Amino acid sequence: NAGVTQTPKFQVLKTGQSMTLQCAQDMNHNSMYWYRQDPGMGLRLIYYSASEGTTDKGEVPNGYNVSRLNKREFSLRLESAAPSQTSVYFCASSDLLAGVFDEQFFGPGTRLTVL
Amino acid sequence: GQSLEQPSEVTAVEGAIVQINCTYQTSGFYGLSWYQQHDGGAPTFLSYNGLDGLEETGRFSSFLSRSDSYGYLLLQELQMKDSASYFCAVRSPNDYKLSFGAGTTVTVRA
Repeated sequence: NAGVTQTPKFQVLKTGQSMTLQCAQDMNHNSMYWYRQDPGMGLRLIYYSASEGTTDKGEVPNGYNVSRLNKREFSLRLESAAPSQTSVYFCASSDLLAGVFDEQFFGPGTRLTVL
Repeated sequence: GQSLEQPSEVTAVEGAIVQINCTYQTSGFYGLSWYQQHDGGAPTFLSYNGLDGLEETGRFSSFLSRSDSYGYLLLQELQMKDSASYFCAVRSPNDYKLSFGAGTTVTVRA
């Protein structure tokens, strides 16, 4: 099992360019999440998908869109990148419907720089 | 909304014990989790407390007091490999979102 995979690992964009971050999980989890991590600020939720076919905004959704393509895949799109979106992006998944507690499994991250 | 407070940094020597406190303010509560993140790596789950009391997993223990909105992670017999950032996180009922603290960087010295 690969767990949660993310592509690309690194990316440099110019202001105004667009790109899509890909995430896939092979654990048959219902829920998937996108976080961003900036120095000293912990993990902040951008969007999440509680189950296939649903998506909802998290704490910092502005400037992003998501697509839950199927149960395995959850992509994050930056339509017009800005320097403020320079960050490390983590995708995560969990089996939320299994009970109250859900351990989240994280991918290796995408390090994005916007110039 | 959720608000979590934890110290930003802790330094200790190998073999020592470190306690990382986490206080939270939430509009409901489904339990306190702890995650570890090594520099440049992905966060990984360490422990979960849904009820008051102590949970022990090897050298690591986690404690929760719901009446005090407080928990801690205890790292015993510190090893160099324990140098990492540690995050507390809470989830509220009827909410799929996990809210994280800003993280505590633990540095273990020889």
